[in-house]
Amino acid sequence: DTAVSQTPKYLVTQMGNDKSIKCEQNLGHDTMYWYKQDSKKFLKIMFSYNNKELIINETVPNRFSPKSPDKAHLNLHINSLELGDSAVYFCASSQGPAANEQFFGPGTRLTVL
Amino acid sequence: QQQVKQSPQSLIVQKGGISIINCAYENTAFDYFPWYQQFPGKGPALLIAIRPDVSEKKEGRFTISFNKSAKQFSLHIMDSQPGDSATYFCAASKGGYQKVTFGTGTKLQVIP
Repeated sequence: DTAVSQTPKYLVTQMGNDKSIKCEQNLGHDTMYWYKQDSKKFLKIMFSYNNKELIINETVPNRFSPKSPDKAHLNLHINSLELGDSAVYFCASSQGPAANEQFFGPGTRLTVL
Repeated sequence: QQQVKQSPQSLIVQKGGISIINCAYENTAFDYFPWYQQFPGKGPALLIAIRPDVSEKKEGRFTISFNKSAKQFSLHIMDSQPGDSATYFCAASKGGYQKVTFGTGTKLQVIP
């Protein structure tokens, strides 16, 4: 059974389009995260939700909007995609604080043309 | 601002050798220091973690050495194997629901 799953695995789209990435975890965790990993492998937190409430919101453009319908799901919607949005996006979850082990999904490779 | 500095960027080690990756942090409020391992095409996975009340933690071939006064910590991989070839990230957190800040990563290649 996959612990943290993301769909789609690959996403290729044109500039200006809107796209969504979905994430689900079956670990029973109460905290979920979105990370962006750029071409240099730098891993940066974007958002964190605890029990469906936003607790971390890094300086991410307003074009990115996370949504957590329940504890097990955290989706990421991106409006008006730009070339610089091309990256691998990882969803992760943990039980409680970030200082506990985070379990990462397999990633979604987004390519904006 | 890069709060966790990691070196080297890449490392090539012979099979059976010792791999050493170093990290330095600035924020003395950090109290949790994990290392994550990432294989190509996969998400990072926790390898080992340490809190500042101990100076060393060992799990199998992997050891974290922690120097609180120098604000440095390092990962040692003993008897390195080709299967250890991956990208390694150090990280730090203040604890609670504060974010985890990752280092820039070290690509390790273990050659036979």
